[in-house]
Amino acid sequence: GDSVTQMEGPVTLSEEAFLTINCTYTATGYPSLFWYVQYPGEGLQLLLKATKADDKGSNKGFEATYRKETTSFHLEKGSVQVSDSAVYFCALSDRAARQLTFGSGTQLTVLP
Amino acid sequence: DTGVSQDPRHKITKRGQNVTFRCDPISEHNRLYWYRQTLGQGPEFLTYFQNEAQLEKSRLLSDRFSAERPKGSFSTLEIQRTEQGDSAMYLCAIRAGTTIDEQFFGPGTRLTVL
Repeated sequence: GDSVTQMEGPVTLSEEAFLTINCTYTATGYPSLFWYVQYPGEGLQLLLKATKADDKGSNKGFEATYRKETTSFHLEKGSVQVSDSAVYFCALSDRAARQLTFGSGTQLTVLP
Repeated sequence: DTGVSQDPRHKITKRGQNVTFRCDPISEHNRLYWYRQTLGQGPEFLTYFQNEAQLEKSRLLSDRFSAERPKGSFSTLEIQRTEQGDSAMYLCAIRAGTTIDEQFFGPGTRLTVL
């Protein structure tokens, strides 16, 4: 079945550092890929998405590129802020959109 | 505001009791999903509805779990004879946005089984 593997956390960075959170997936066909974010005490929010190979999703300074050849969707941000501290989840959806399959999440802490 | 409310936000119950959670989309959405999230893990799919029809159920949804969406609007998730292993956050999501597979989540109901 479909699966998503994320780099294990927690990740601790200083403010303005570069962020990469790795995500790889296994799926049949051509899934859509997502990053969700969960801020402390809040619900899951869609951060960005990509629906086909080589698409780049972006939002709030975060970017991720759908790489079919490496089955990856790594999340990057050039300069993190303290307010980016949260748990980040990589996810995929099959084309029938029956369900999302999530990774286990990566806890990011940004220190001032 | 994702357009999804869930009630209650927190529920503490004793093992063996029945509990029911409710999910209310603000406006009409034909697809509604339930997920379960345990501590330190990503959400896991439980079931989904297309209007009032329950179209798919995960193997995680044991016989003690039942979900309904009687009029294709709000949905309920009931757990009978709760077990400590049922302790988790129960999330409701709706299909929305610009593509078929975008899902937006409610705040969740945190269940603690003592």
